[in-house]
Order: sequence, then structure tokens, then C-alpha cells
Amino acid sequence: AQTVTQSQPEMSVQEAETVTLSCTYDTSESNYYLFWYKQPPSRQMILVIRQEAYKQQNATENRFSVNFQKAAKSFSLKISDSQLGDTAMYFCAFMNTGTASKLTFGTGTRLQVTL
Amino acid sequence: NAGVTQTPKFRILKIGQSMTLQCTQDMNHNYMYWYRQDPGMGLKLIYYSVGAGITDKGEVPNGYNVSRSTTEDFPLRLELAAPSQTSVYFCASRPSGQGKNTEAFFGQGTRLTVV
Repeated sequence: AQTVTQSQPEMSVQEAETVTLSCTYDTSESNYYLFWYKQPPSRQMILVIRQEAYKQQNATENRFSVNFQKAAKSFSLKISDSQLGDTAMYFCAFMNTGTASKLTFGTGTRLQVTL
Repeated sequence: NAGVTQTPKFRILKIGQSMTLQCTQDMNHNYMYWYRQDPGMGLKLIYYSVGAGITDKGEVPNGYNVSRSTTEDFPLRLELAAPSQTSVYFCASRPSGQGKNTEAFFGQGTRLTVV
């Protein structure tokens, strides 16, 4: 079974600065997907970024980028030029491929962006 | 498209009562998931389904049941409610396939309190 670990329960960053959220995972599978989801106070879950395990190139979406280290089973999220609207819970998630495809989440990191 | 719709949004149950949390999606997605999110925690998978007529247990299935008689609907049944089931419940769906089809779409959640 796969597990996802986020070791930073809370983080704080000033507006316009850069912050990195950490995530590690454990799996015996060779092909899978990794995600970062954002949950603002509205409770809505929003996909931030996705990484396919067989792609070596790190995914990027505007101010959001990842550092995917497959051998180390590490998947960190970097937020550049932080904005007040980035304040939210951030969840790292793992999805195995194949028919019985489950989506497993970490415990989350609460990010506070301050002025 | 309405996306993923959960009803009710809030509910208070007494210990020992039963109820069904409704989840419906209008995107013709094969995969559907039920999660619970305890305060300040991540999402734990209760049950999931890969298509109509097929369901399987997640991490925390005890005390819950599901059915998937149609592609659209994936109700979650609580039998003999207990205080430990106080949580926010999320339903999610995604299409089959890889790449962009790996994005899960979430409902707004149901906040359940058992007293």
C-alpha cells in the first residue's frame, strides 16, 4: 500500500517570497501520478499541479513548480511570488495507475501568506 | 455541468442513527471516491468505485457501506452512527485514463456531527 507523508504541519511566508512544501511517499510501483491539491477556507479541493512518474521533467504551472526526485521518493512544491490568495491547506497526493486506481493523500501543510 | 454534488451539506445525527450521504456526478466519470477529513487532518479514503457495480474498501471502511448501481451515483451509508464518525465527508470523481484524466473533481463536502 502506498503512503504519503507531509512533515510540515504549518508554514508561513511573506507576500512575494518563495516557499517550498515537502512531501515524501512510499510505493513499490514504477508508474504513478503525484499531485498537489489546495484547500482554501471554502473547503473546495483544487488541483494545483500534477507530475507523471515516468516523466523526468519537473512539472510547472505558472508560479507553482515541483521538484520530483523519483529515487528518493520525494515530491516538493515550490510557490514563487507568494500571494495572499495562496493561503490554504496544501495536500500532497499519490495515485497508482491501473484499473484499481486509488488516490491517497498526505496529512496536509497549512500555509499562511502574510503581508 | 453541475460537477460533483453532495447532499446534505450539514447534518447532526444522534448516536445509533443511520443516514445516507448522497453523491452524484454528471460528467460520466467511471471512478468515484469517498473520503473523510477530520479537523486539521488529511483525507482518508473510505471506499472507492471503478465503475457501476464495482466497489472496494479504502483505508477506513469500518462503519460504512457503499453501492454503485449507476455511473452517476455513489451513496455512502452510515449504520449505527458513532461520535468517531464526526467529520467532513468528501466525494470525488474522475474519468478513466491517464494524463489530464487523472484530475479528481470534488464535491463541496458534508459536515456530519454525531452527538
